[in-house]
Amino acid sequence: DAKTTQPTSMDCAEGRAANLPCNHSTISGNEYVYWYRQIHSQGPQYIIHGLKNNETNEMASLIITEDRKSSTLILPHATLRDTAVYYCIVISLGTASKLTFGTGTRLQVTL
Amino acid sequence: DTAVSQTPKYLVTQMGNDKSIKCEQNLGHDTMYWYKQDSKKFLKIMFSYNNKELIINETVPNRFSPKSPDKAHLNLHINSLELGDSAVYFCASSQGNRVRQPQHFGDGTRLSIL
Repeated sequence: DAKTTQPTSMDCAEGRAANLPCNHSTISGNEYVYWYRQIHSQGPQYIIHGLKNNETNEMASLIITEDRKSSTLILPHATLRDTAVYYCIVISLGTASKLTFGTGTRLQVTL
Repeated sequence: DTAVSQTPKYLVTQMGNDKSIKCEQNLGHDTMYWYKQDSKKFLKIMFSYNNKELIINETVPNRFSPKSPDKAHLNLHINSLELGDSAVYFCASSQGNRVRQPQHFGDGTRLSIL
């Protein structure tokens, strides 16, 4: 599976959009981009995933560049409850289920 | 109506003891997992079961033995506990054994070895 690079930490003011980047320059054509987050003292939570098209759900939007070498997770109106570690994970199609978590980005949402 | 529930939430025990952690999911999923998160917050998969059959077994000491009595349960038994076993253990489930399916996690069991 392709390796990902994320900033160690980011801050965002409450109510503003949080844009979390992820670099996956070695991604191959059959690999998906997944985002999970882990709020303190809780288990990881699935957010969104995509292959090459931009995706949106009730939690977030995922923007994948045309060359698929990077992506951005967007939380449109961050709240204090969005403070968490966000993990970008690249996974091959058909791989037996095995999420490999990196160090992620610690997002701190502030008043 | 918790989706993935683990018991106990906290477990404090002495080195050398044997302990079990239980996990149950009510999502109707057919695949369950155990992950370990160490003190540095790295989260790594340990085991995965699909329809009660072991499909992933990472490099885990054989003191750790998962057991899946049915699709809704995956328990983790640990023999001869060591200091390095101190960690948070997360159970998860998904529908299907392909990684494309989102995994749903429990809130973890915090194991502390004295």
